[in-house]
Amino acid sequence: AQSVTQLDSQVPVFEEAPVELRCNYSSSVSVYLFWYVQYPNQGLQLLLKYLSGSTLVKGINGFEAEFNKSQTSFHLRKPSVHISDTAEYFCAVILNSGNTPLVFGKGTRLSVIA
Amino acid sequence: NAGVTQTPKFQVLKTGQSMTLQCAQDMNHNSMYWYRQDPGMGLRLIYYSASEGTTDKGEVPNGYNVSRLNKREFSLRLESAAPSQTSVYFCASSTGLVGELFFGEGSRLTVL
Repeated sequence: AQSVTQLDSQVPVFEEAPVELRCNYSSSVSVYLFWYVQYPNQGLQLLLKYLSGSTLVKGINGFEAEFNKSQTSFHLRKPSVHISDTAEYFCAVILNSGNTPLVFGKGTRLSVIA
Repeated sequence: NAGVTQTPKFQVLKTGQSMTLQCAQDMNHNSMYWYRQDPGMGLRLIYYSASEGTTDKGEVPNGYNVSRLNKREFSLRLESAAPSQTSVYFCASSTGLVGELFFGEGSRLTVL
């Protein structure tokens, strides 16, 4: 079965500083990878996804992630964060057959400090 | 644009009581899901329905039942609530594009 590990449960960062949220996955077969964001008191929304092609994918709000097959990682990055980026971020994986449900990591809480 | 609507948003139950969480989507999606979110545990899948008329267990189905009433509606029932079911419950639906889910705003359930 596939799974994801988010290596940091909380990440504090100063406004306008860069940030990286780490995600590693495990699977014996090919997978698709996703990042979702949850703003306070809201449901989750899709930030970006990797299905195939270029290993660097860009999402909404200036975020990007890089798929690294050899390291089984899919880290999320932003060069300069804003207060409004304060949220919980979830990495998720699904088998590339697509007929199994999405599996989420435990989340990383990003706190941007003014 | 309503998207995915969950009711109720808040509920307090006593141990042993029953209740149903309702979910409706207006996006004509085939697949629907129920997740629970607990601190430090992320989102865990309770049940899902790949299409109208089908339901399948997820990671944590014990203590829950579901009904896919029609294409729009997918309800989650707790027959005898336990304190361990205190959580935030999220309903989601899928566009059919792999991994793309639309979530409701959540239902916060407290079992005393």
